[in-house]
Amino acid sequence: SAVISQKPSRDICQRGTSLTIQCQVDSQVTMMFWYRQQPGQSLTLIATANQGSEATYESGFVIDKFPISRPNLTFSTLTVSNMSPEDSSIYLCSVVSGVYSYNEQFFGPGTRLTVL
Amino acid sequence: QKEVEQDPGPLSVPEGAIVSLNCTYSNSAFQYFMWYRQYSRKGPELLMYTYSSGNKEDGRFTAQVDKSSKYISLFIRDSQPSDSATYLCAMRDSSASKIIFGSGTRLSIRP
Repeated sequence: SAVISQKPSRDICQRGTSLTIQCQVDSQVTMMFWYRQQPGQSLTLIATANQGSEATYESGFVIDKFPISRPNLTFSTLTVSNMSPEDSSIYLCSVVSGVYSYNEQFFGPGTRLTVL
Repeated sequence: QKEVEQDPGPLSVPEGAIVSLNCTYSNSAFQYFMWYRQYSRKGPELLMYTYSSGNKEDGRFTAQVDKSSKYISLFIRDSQPSDSATYLCAMRDSSASKIIFGSGTRLSIRP
């Protein structure tokens, strides 16, 4: 298993500003994922972040809006840029521990973002 | 049409009851079917997963997959107040790492 922490746990931000969310894992992992979870909605994958390569974004999400860094095998950041109230959501990072473990993702506790 | 449909609930049952949670899906390529549990203000955690059709039992939990109907179920026997959480179904095909999640069913077990 993997233990994941996220910072900040919650934040209230003004429209037009940016917020960087950090994800720290207690072990080295190959694949990390960033999700968005809006109230009453399913978890939506934003992007997959592998160390040493550019993040792969899902349809509807772009790098300019959600830049991601993955400097090593235990850490990643997601930035929500030029925020609007529609970006209010819970943002979660998750990891898989190996290529045969896609079914079991370990999730962080999430970052609850409110944009005014 | 969403790829995965799940009744959001909320579902409230008395302690000790059998709970049935369900999802339907549209993509016949899905091969792996998972159930995640999410407590309030926590990230989801994997309960169990099954491959293709059939049943899988783990303690008080039974996962059932009917690929012909594109329908999956999670049964909880002897439900406990500690089972109160949101349950998300999830699935993927064998060629992809991406998991598609249902929107979750909020379950409350009354003591």
